[in-house]
Amino acid sequence: AQSVSQHNHHVILSEAASLELGCNYSYGGTVNLFWYVQYPGQHLQLLLKYFSGDPLVKGIKGFEAEFIKSKFSFNLRKPSVQWSDTAEYFCAVNGGGADGLTFGKGTHLIIQP
Amino acid sequence: DAGVIQSPRHEVTEMGQEVTLRCKPISGHNSLFWYRQTMMRGLELLIYFNNNVPIDDSGMPEDRFSAKMPNASFSTLKIQPSEPRDSAVYFCASSPRQGYTEAFFGQGTRLTVV
Repeated sequence: AQSVSQHNHHVILSEAASLELGCNYSYGGTVNLFWYVQYPGQHLQLLLKYFSGDPLVKGIKGFEAEFIKSKFSFNLRKPSVQWSDTAEYFCAVNGGGADGLTFGKGTHLIIQP
Repeated sequence: DAGVIQSPRHEVTEMGQEVTLRCKPISGHNSLFWYRQTMMRGLELLIYFNNNVPIDDSGMPEDRFSAKMPNASFSTLKIQPSEPRDSAVYFCASSPRQGYTEAFFGQGTRLTVV
């Protein structure tokens, strides 16, 4: 079975601050990793994904994530956040080619102007 | 592309009533997923279909829940009878093919059972 742990349930930052959201997964084999964002009242949208290759993945809206296999981690980063980044962020994993994603509980990010 | 379309967007029903949620996947996508989102449990995969066939329904919480996919462009999730603890946001998602793991999500149906 696979699982995902997101360390921070709520994060509050000021605009222009740097962001790092933690994500750890448990699965012993090959994994595909994702970060999704859910803006208030909206559906989940894909921010970025890792399937293979360069472990540093760049996504939309200036987000990036780094896959560290030895640490089973896939942390999300952004150098300078904006008020519009206020949203819920979900890390997800798909292991072994199985269909369907296993999601973390999410991190609620609030950016203060 | 219109994306994944779900209806209704909001549903309020009384305990004991039957509820049917609907989903139209992205045209050409062969895999369809139903997820439930609650504050307590986060996002849970309920069931998924590939080529209209249910592949894994181990996430369906109880026999009160059932899902069908009569054709490639339509799926339903039914709860009968509904209970207050079924209140949640239900998301439908689709993927181009089995094993292609990126999922495209619909807007969700917010279900409230009173």
